[in-house]
Amino acid sequence: NAGVTQTPKFQVLKTGQSMTLQCAQDMNHEYMSWYRQDPGMGLRLIHYSVGAGITDQGEVPNGYNVSRSTTEDFPLRLLSAAPSQTSVYFCASGLKDSYGYTFGSGTRLTVV
Amino acid sequence: GEDVEQSLFLSVREGDSSVINCTYTDSSSTYLYWYKQEPGAGLQLLTYIFSNMDMKQDQRLTVLLNKKDKHLSLRIADTQTGDSAIYFCAEEDSSASKIIFGSGTRLSIRP
Repeated sequence: NAGVTQTPKFQVLKTGQSMTLQCAQDMNHEYMSWYRQDPGMGLRLIHYSVGAGITDQGEVPNGYNVSRSTTEDFPLRLLSAAPSQTSVYFCASGLKDSYGYTFGSGTRLTVV
Repeated sequence: GEDVEQSLFLSVREGDSSVINCTYTDSSSTYLYWYKQEPGAGLQLLTYIFSNMDMKQDQRLTVLLNKKDKHLSLRIADTQTGDSAIYFCAEEDSSASKIIFGSGTRLSIRP
């Protein structure tokens, strides 16, 4: 049971480049979320999904897109990377009507 | 909207008790959580409390919930060096579709 798998673990981008952070879970969880972690600011919610085909914005959605075509996958797209998007990104998933989320190990992104 | 607040740092002596405090805003949260993050790692669910409970104990961990004041605390008894980590308080929003986190409290242990 792999849990929540995030790829890549590390990435360096140039300003203006685009990329997709991958997130996959094999636990048949309905709920999936993307967070970014910055020093002193905790985890801030970027986008979340309550099921395939349904996504919604979190606290800091600007500059990011998501889609949820399957239950398993929830990719996060950066359309035009900016230095302000330098952060550690975490994907998490959870079961409806249950407690707690399972987190991936994170992607450390640096935009230069 | 939902907001979760906690202090950024706590330093305790090894063997003492650690108490990490948190305040939250969504009174309709079903679950409240404590997550632990060790250096370079993701977040692990440490414990949780259901909103109709006042206290939950799990070995060295005690969670206290004061719903009237919207205050949550985590007590770690006999704090060890392995408890050094960032501890996040979190609340589930009223729709139960997302979890909102605080800024995290970095716990450091003095010998």
